[in-house]
Amino acid sequence: QVQLLQSGAEVRRPGASVKVSCKTSGYTFTTYHVNWVRQATGQGLEWLGYIIPNSGHTGSAQRFQGRVTITRDTSIRTAYMELRSLKSEDTAVYFCVVMGETTNWGQGTLVTVSS
Amino acid sequence: QLVLTQSPSASASLGASVKLTCTLSSGHSNYDIAWHQQQPEKGPRYLLKVNSDGSHSRGDGIPDRFSGSRSGAERYLTISSLQADDEADYYCHTWATGLWVFGGGTKLTVL
Repeated sequence: QVQLLQSGAEVRRPGASVKVSCKTSGYTFTTYHVNWVRQATGQGLEWLGYIIPNSGHTGSAQRFQGRVTITRDTSIRTAYMELRSLKSEDTAVYFCVVMGETTNWGQGTLVTVSS
Repeated sequence: QLVLTQSPSASASLGASVKLTCTLSSGHSNYDIAWHQQQPEKGPRYLLKVNSDGSHSRGDGIPDRFSGSRSGAERYLTISSLQADDEADYYCHTWATGLWVFGGGTKLTVL
């Protein structure tokens, strides 16, 4: 059974960076893309980007290009999402998502950006 | 531009059925989509995928009260025999090479 276990909540100052991890299990890590989605309080779902674990190739939504970096460590079946130059508007819950035969969501990581 | 449009809210009575709609933007009527449920204070949960041919496939453990269908550029999620814990936000989601798109979500109230 696919499981996605994310790192814990983070608090950052404006201008700082945050890196969230997503440890996977229950499937072959290199088979499916890992995507990152966020949700601000009371708002909808917003896609940030993805990584192809097999090759390391990444892509991101245009509004995050230059600010988001997605990486992976295949030896520990883990994907990472780093967001830089944080603003208060980046306060949100960040989810990793794997879409294979079915779609699986991580439990979410709250990132709070506050001075 | 690939866009998904959902009505912001819907309501139906306990035990009744409800059909939620997600509309694909012009030129994208043949895309597959997925539906996700988000209950209050919880993360999203995958419900099912609606293929461009109108067939659907549910996620593990999703009851057959949840079904999907399509008509042209519209994709539907039908929930029958509504239960109290079906009260949630429902998001449709589609994808293309290097891109994911979510609808704005529909808040379903069970009366």
